[in-house]
Amino acid sequence: AQTVTQSQPEMSVQEAETVTLSCTYDTSESDYYLFWYKQPPSRQMILVIRQEAYKQQNATENRFSVNFQKAAKSFSLKISDSQLGDAAMYFCAYRSDFSGTYKYIFGTGTRLKVLA
Amino acid sequence: NAGVTQTPKFQVLKTGQSMTLQCAQDMNHEYMSWYRQDPGMGLRLIHYSVGAGITDQGEVPNGYNVSRSTTEDFPLRLLSAAPSQTSVYFCASKEGAWGTEAFFGQGTRLTVV
Repeated sequence: AQTVTQSQPEMSVQEAETVTLSCTYDTSESDYYLFWYKQPPSRQMILVIRQEAYKQQNATENRFSVNFQKAAKSFSLKISDSQLGDAAMYFCAYRSDFSGTYKYIFGTGTRLKVLA
Repeated sequence: NAGVTQTPKFQVLKTGQSMTLQCAQDMNHEYMSWYRQDPGMGLRLIHYSVGAGITDQGEVPNGYNVSRSTTEDFPLRLLSAAPSQTSVYFCASKEGAWGTEAFFGQGTRLTVV
């Protein structure tokens, strides 16, 4: 069975600085997707970024980028130029690439605080 | 485009009461699912559906029933609420087998006293 581990329950960053959130996963599959979701106080789950395992290039979305290390099964999220609006709970998630598979497996989350 | 709509947003139940959490999506997505979110445990899959008339159990299905009579709706039923079911519930939908991204509703905070 696949597992996702987020070992940092809480992180803090100064406004305008850079922070990296860690995520490791365990799987025997070779094809899969990895995601980072943001959950602000409103509870809405917002997709931040996704990575296809077959792609070697790390995904980027504006100030958000990932460091995907497939062999190490590591998938960290880097937030550059942190803003107050980045304060939220961040979840790392895994999904298999097999047809018909719908189960997302989530980590326990990292609460990010942004200090003014 | 409303996306995924959950009702109600908040609910307080007494132990033993029953209720249905509603979930509707207007994106014609085949896949829908229910998760519960508890502190320190992330989101855990309760039940999911790959299309109208087809449902299956997830990781924590006990105490919950689902049905999928239409593509749009996927209600979650609590037949006899227990304090252990106090949680935040999320409904999500996804486009077919190859659709990548899951779209989430805004969640329902349920308290069972």
